[in-house]
Amino acid sequence: GEDVEQSLFLSVREGDSSVINCTYTDSSSTYLYWYKQEPGAGLQLLTYIFSNMDMKQDQRLTVLLNKKDKHLSLRIADTQTGDSAIYFCAEGLGSGGYNKLIFGAGTRLAVHP
Amino acid sequence: DAGVIQSPRHEVTEMGQEVTLRCKPISGHNSLFWYRQTMMRGLELLIYFNNNVPIDDSGMPEDRFSAKMPNASFSTLKIQPSEPRDSAVYFCASRELNTEAFFGQGTRLTVV
Repeated sequence: GEDVEQSLFLSVREGDSSVINCTYTDSSSTYLYWYKQEPGAGLQLLTYIFSNMDMKQDQRLTVLLNKKDKHLSLRIADTQTGDSAIYFCAEGLGSGGYNKLIFGAGTRLAVHP
Repeated sequence: DAGVIQSPRHEVTEMGQEVTLRCKPISGHNSLFWYRQTMMRGLELLIYFNNNVPIDDSGMPEDRFSAKMPNASFSTLKIQPSEPRDSAVYFCASRELNTEAFFGQGTRLTVV
């Protein structure tokens, strides 16, 4: 089946690292994505990882993929108040991730001073 | 390109009325998705189109919901008759082959 699960809330102190976790069920996923949603806005792509990779780093963002356990994580280093948002992980299904994007419910990140 | 454009941004309607949500995808994108976001259910995929053809509508909740894509630059999501439980934010997204999906700003629907 197709299912993506995330914890709903995460609270961190400004300057600390945030780690948002996600599990998915479909082993045929070819791309996995992290999206960010700010209040009143649509979703914007943060980063993505191809399924044959274990890790991807992009400035303050680090994505780790454990394909055996179907576990994806997003680490945000030096978390800032501007990082407060909802973070969605998504898996791309179908040939080359072409056909479908299935999203988790989103993790609400709250950054406090 | 102006991105994915949705209209209206906000819609308030009475129960039983017909509601039509509109989406203009990014030019050249050949896949279009309709999602619904609620606090209870998160972000649900309702239906998606490839090259204007509906591929998977298994997420459409009931027969009251219908979606069309008459051409590559326009899609509608219609609810008839609307009910209070349809209140949500509806997002449209589009993408090219093997690329990220770009989302519109969403339509906030309130059915009273």
